[in-house]
Amino acid sequence: GNSVTQMEGPVTLSEEAFLTINCTYTATGYPSLFWYVQYPGEGLQLLLKATKADDKGSNKGFEATYRKETTSFHLEKGSVQVSDSAVYFCALTTLEGSQGAQKLVFGQGTRLTINP
Amino acid sequence: NAGVTQTPKFQVLKTGQSMTLQCAQDMNHNSMYWYRQDPGMGLRLIYYSASEGTTDKGEVPNGYNVSRLNKREFSLRLESAAPSQTSVYFCASSESKGIAGELFFGEGSRLTVL
Repeated sequence: GNSVTQMEGPVTLSEEAFLTINCTYTATGYPSLFWYVQYPGEGLQLLLKATKADDKGSNKGFEATYRKETTSFHLEKGSVQVSDSAVYFCALTTLEGSQGAQKLVFGQGTRLTINP
Repeated sequence: NAGVTQTPKFQVLKTGQSMTLQCAQDMNHNSMYWYRQDPGMGLRLIYYSASEGTTDKGEVPNGYNVSRLNKREFSLRLESAAPSQTSVYFCASSESKGIAGELFFGEGSRLTVL
């Protein structure tokens, strides 16, 4: 079956540090890959996505590249801010057998804390 | 901009009690979902509805039922709550266009079963 594995958290960094959150996946078919972010007390919101191999998703200074050869989709940001403190989820969907619904499979989430 | 609205936001139940979580979206989306979020396990899909009039099981459907009341509303029912159903529940919606798109989530409903 499909699955997503994220690096264990929590991750604590200082402001302006470089961020990497690792994500690897196992999937049948051709998955699309996502990063969602959850700020305290809120629901998840889409941060970025990539729908085919070698695509790079980017948003708000975050980037992730769809690497089919390593089945990875690592999240990076060059200089983090305190406002980036949140829980980050890697996810995939294949749309197979879903009648068009986006049946996301999520990783366990990585809690990120940025200190001033 | 309401988006996806869930009620109630908090609920405490005793084992064996029943309750329904309500969800409504105002984005005219075809597909709706219920997920549960547990520490260290990410979000897991309970049930989904690809379009009005259809519902299907997700990864963890046992102990739950759903109703797609109309295009806007998708409810989740616990008939006989158990402590293992203590969790945060999220409703979400999306367009179903056959390509990977965005899910829009509600703010969550925190359920405690004693």
